[in-house]
Amino acid sequence: KAGVTQTPRYLIKTRGQQVTLSCSPISGHRSVSWYQQTPGQGLQFLFEYFSETQRNKGNFPGRFSGRQFSNSRSEMNVSTLELGDSALYLCASRIGTGGTGELFFGEGSRLTVL
Amino acid sequence: AQRVTQPEKLLSVFKGAPVELKCNYSYSGSPELFWYVQYSRQRLQLLLRHISRESIKGFTADLNKGETSFHLKKPFAQEEDSAMYYCALSDSGGSNYKLTFGKGTLLTVNP
Repeated sequence: KAGVTQTPRYLIKTRGQQVTLSCSPISGHRSVSWYQQTPGQGLQFLFEYFSETQRNKGNFPGRFSGRQFSNSRSEMNVSTLELGDSALYLCASRIGTGGTGELFFGEGSRLTVL
Repeated sequence: AQRVTQPEKLLSVFKGAPVELKCNYSYSGSPELFWYVQYSRQRLQLLLRHISRESIKGFTADLNKGETSFHLKKPFAQEEDSAMYYCALSDSGGSNYKLTFGKGTLLTVNP
C-alpha cells in the first residue's frame, strides 16, 4: 500500500504570496489532518477533514485554509504569506471511523518564506 | 485546553543502559496517549498507544492518571533507538479528533 504522499516536497515563496500544498492519503483512509512543524513550536494541529468536511480546526489565523475532495485527497492553502509561516507542513491520514486512531504521516512539504 | 510536556529536549545514554523518556499531560477528560517516533530521514510513525498496552521494539509506556504521566521506558537501549520521540494526546475518539504533541525528546544512544 502506498503511503501518504505530499507535494511539493520543497518550495520557496516570498512574503505576500500564497501557496497550495497537496496531500494524497493512504487508499481507504477518509480522514486527513494537517500539522505545522517548526523548531520553536513543534508540531501544531492545523485542521482535520473527513468526507470533505472540516471536523476540527487548530488555533491558526484564517489565512490557513484547507479542503478535501471526494477521493479524500486534501489541499491546504496559506494566503498572504508571512516569514513566520516558514515550516514543515505535515499531512497525516487515518481510516476515520473506528480503527486504532493511528495517524500515518507523509514526508512533509517544507515551505520557506523569504 | 490539552497540553503535553516533554521536559527533556535531549537525552543521551549508552548502549545497554535503561532509558526513560518523560511525558506529562494536562487534559480534563479521558485521554488517549501515544508515542510517535521519527528516525533519521524517515517519516513520523506510531510507536505505541496506551490502549493497546503492548511492547514495541522493547519499549513500554504506562498511563498513570494520578500523576498524569505516560513515560516511555526501555530496559536496555540500542543504538538503533536513536531518534526523535514525541508524546501525543488525543481526545478519546469522537468527531473532533486531533493530536496534541509534546515538543519532542531527541534520544541518542552511544556505543
